Amino acid sequence: NAGVTQTPKFRILKIGQSMTLQCTQDMNHNYMYWYRQDPGMGLKLIYYSVGAGITDKGEVPNGYNVSRSTTEDFPLRLELAAPSQTSVYFCASVNDYNSPLHFGNGTRLTVT
Amino acid sequence: QKEVEQNSGPLSVPEGAIASLNCTYSDRGSQSFFWYRQYSGKSPELIMFIYSNGDKEDGRFTAQLNKASQYVSLLIRDSQPSDSATYLCADGRIYGQNFVFGPGTRLSVLP
Repeated sequence: NAGVTQTPKFRILKIGQSMTLQCTQDMNHNYMYWYRQDPGMGLKLIYYSVGAGITDKGEVPNGYNVSRSTTEDFPLRLELAAPSQTSVYFCASVNDYNSPLHFGNGTRLTVT
Repeated sequence: QKEVEQNSGPLSVPEGAIASLNCTYSDRGSQSFFWYRQYSGKSPELIMFIYSNGDKEDGRFTAQLNKASQYVSLLIRDSQPSDSATYLCADGRIYGQNFVFGPGTRLSVLP
């Protein structure tokens, strides 16, 4: 089982560029999440989804968009990248209430 | 708004000692708690989870939950330098709400 797969692993963007961070899971989990983690800080929830076609904002959604057209995929879109979006982005999924999250390996993004 | 608090550390312990990591939470209705270990530059990995009051042991790790005091802890016995990492406490999902992570405690085990 591959679990949660994120691509790319690293990316450098110029200010104002756009990109999509890919996340896919093969565990048939309904619930998927995007977090960002700034250096030395904790995880902050950007967006989450409770199933295909349903998404909702988390704690820090500004500057991001998501979609969930299938159970497996939950891409995160950055429009007009800003230096404040320099961070490590983690995608995670879970099957059921009160179960542990499964994390992807992360995408390290630098905006200069 | 659910909140999870942790001492950011660093917590330094000598090799072979017991490391004690603590966490408090604000939502009295929370039912599940998770401890994740995160090495620098890596994704969080699950160490322990606990749902019931009391202790839960797994190898060198013991999780403790006290719902009356809204307190969760993780004990690491016979600490090893490889245990040096940041430990994240998380309040798990209930009724569709989302995981809330604490800021993490950085543990350093000195050889």
